Amino acid sequence: NAGVMQNPRHLVRRRGQEARLRCSPMKGHSHVYWYRQLPEEGLKFMVYLQKENIIDESGMPKERFSAEFPKEGPSILRIQQVVRGDSAAYFCASSPSADLGYGYTFGSGTRLTVV
Amino acid sequence: AQKVTQAQTEISVVEKEDVTLDCVYETRDTTYYLFWYKQPPSGELVFLIRRNSFDEQNEISGRYSWNFQKSTSSFNFTITASQVVDSAVYFCALSKSGSARQLTFGSGTQLTVLP
Repeated sequence: NAGVMQNPRHLVRRRGQEARLRCSPMKGHSHVYWYRQLPEEGLKFMVYLQKENIIDESGMPKERFSAEFPKEGPSILRIQQVVRGDSAAYFCASSPSADLGYGYTFGSGTRLTVV
Repeated sequence: AQKVTQAQTEISVVEKEDVTLDCVYETRDTTYYLFWYKQPPSGELVFLIRRNSFDEQNEISGRYSWNFQKSTSSFNFTITASQVVDSAVYFCALSKSGSARQLTFGSGTQLTVLP
């Protein structure tokens, strides 16, 4: 049973470009969460999605960031017009239920570098 | 609001020493989960333990043990007979139980085990 798959593992973008980060949850998991880890900091919650729905986006920056989790395919975190401050590790997690007692598994992360 | 404090930013020990990583949390919820994750130099997040707030029993897994004290809102992590491979950043995290969806992470403790 494959774990949470994130790709790419590393992504380099020039300022002003778009970044697309992908997350395939574990089989049977329909809940996806995105977190951002800035250098030397802990992880900060960004957004929680269930298939085709955004449940909680209280941690998402108001501009340039968006997330989706379509009926088919991976969840996508999209950052438009990237700036140097977007350089961070972005982690995705998935769970089979909204109750965290059923498990909460992280992927290996995508390291975004904006040059 | 929830908060997790890991007051120890960095700890260095010599191999075979025991080391305790502190975690203090704040929450108004009566039921919640506490987690520990390990982030080795390779960057992925490795799940170590999840503890329900109703279960105050200490837990031991090999060289790892956890001391959960609800009275002091602490969930400390001890590594016995540390090894160089234990060198990593360790994160403590907190969430509500039930319909909760996100984790609140501490800022992490960088553990270095010297040979």
